[in-house]
Amino acid sequence: GAGVSQSPRYKVAKRGQDVALRCDPISGHVSLFWYQQALGQGPEFLTYFQNEAQLDKSGLPSDRFFAERPEGSVSTLKIQRTQQEDSAVYLCASSFLGGVGSYEQYFGPGTRLTVT
Amino acid sequence: AQRVTQPEKLLSVFKGAPVELKCNYSYSGSPELFWYVQYSRQRLQLLLRHISRESIKGFTADLNKGETSFHLKKPFAQEEDSAMYYCALHTNNNDMRFGAGTRLTVKP
Repeated sequence: GAGVSQSPRYKVAKRGQDVALRCDPISGHVSLFWYQQALGQGPEFLTYFQNEAQLDKSGLPSDRFFAERPEGSVSTLKIQRTQQEDSAVYLCASSFLGGVGSYEQYFGPGTRLTVT
Repeated sequence: AQRVTQPEKLLSVFKGAPVELKCNYSYSGSPELFWYVQYSRQRLQLLLRHISRESIKGFTADLNKGETSFHLKKPFAQEEDSAMYYCALHTNNNDMRFGAGTRLTVKP
């Protein structure tokens, strides 16, 4: 079937705007992860869900960042009052079972957010 | 501190030459390490994991706990190996730490 999809692929926001980034994981995948990738850097872990439960949100950089996965499938990463330092590619990944390292993570294409 | 270091941002070799992409980690627990690859215009994807002790596309990586390293090696590089390579560490806190990545270019 289809892989992980993310929308929008590109988003330009004015500083102070709120944005919502969507992730559709592979059907049946229990675990879902969000990463932030700044230019020239590797992905940085933001948060992790197992079904609808957010088990780890230690990587969220501030309380302006909020993620949800209410029905254990689609997830939304919301950023309130965007700042220029939020400009990055936001990656979503899903895996069939288990925690972060137990099973292969399948990545989406990412959403490139530019805050002007 | 839990950290993954890839000391080379760029690495260039000729086709047929051996290649080694370096990865060092800092972690107090028992590490679980991975190599991910991103080809041009494609998604990030798993290349190999140390626990499987596998060889994928001719690449191997050995975990050296004494040197805290997990270098990626291939004896004869091919042009299609040109990509961005990321070393990643799974921690007991259930997060994944990625290195900054190494861009490998294999010249004809």
